[in-house]
Amino acid sequence: KNEVEQSPQNLTAQEGEFITINCSYSVGISALHWLQQHPGGGIVSLFMLSSGKKKHGRLIATINIQEKHSSLHITASHPRDSAVYICAVLPTTGTYKYIFGTGTRLKVLA
Amino acid sequence: DTGVSQNPRHKITKRGQNVTFRCDPISEHNRLYWYRQTLGQGPEFLTYFQNEAQLEKSRLLSDRFSAERPKGSFSTLEIQRTEQGDSAMYLCASSSGGNQPQHFGDGTRLSIL
Repeated sequence: KNEVEQSPQNLTAQEGEFITINCSYSVGISALHWLQQHPGGGIVSLFMLSSGKKKHGRLIATINIQEKHSSLHITASHPRDSAVYICAVLPTTGTYKYIFGTGTRLKVLA
Repeated sequence: DTGVSQNPRHKITKRGQNVTFRCDPISEHNRLYWYRQTLGQGPEFLTYFQNEAQLEKSRLLSDRFSAERPKGSFSTLEIQRTEQGDSAMYLCASSSGGNQPQHFGDGTRLSIL
């Protein structure tokens, strides 16, 4: 079993829909990072959080440390949101290297 | 802010050849990480540096792989005698340390013929 699990693996939505991507992890963490990866391969940072909730534009990220779970929400989805969304955690033990989920491939149709 | 820069973006080579990739981190970042990502998977840790010191290497990093960061600035990742299984995206990231977020480059995609 992977230490970081994401669901769903693939998601197709219609433009305008509300989208939720989930991340569950089994290790103690100091922070969780949501990343976006476009087809060319480059990775963009969306949020880093260790508690509560963060919002930026149409994106909202929440984390529940006790339940070891985080969600990424996209409101009013748009085709340009189509990408792979990756959850990465920083374990409390070790050398500050990320453990990544396998990613959620999102496709938003016009 | 020039971000993390990786070169080349894409490398195609024949099996058995040696390849070298370069990563230029954000200038004030003392930590530099190398990750490998195969198709449909999340990235996996390979190795990391604090300044010029290589502090950890993954078991994924066979003896054909070597990474350096000679002056604590840019880093190189060399793969000797490449194999088909080395085909992947090689990602570099840097951070200012501790729990600070890592900033990623665009990666180098390696294709082995």
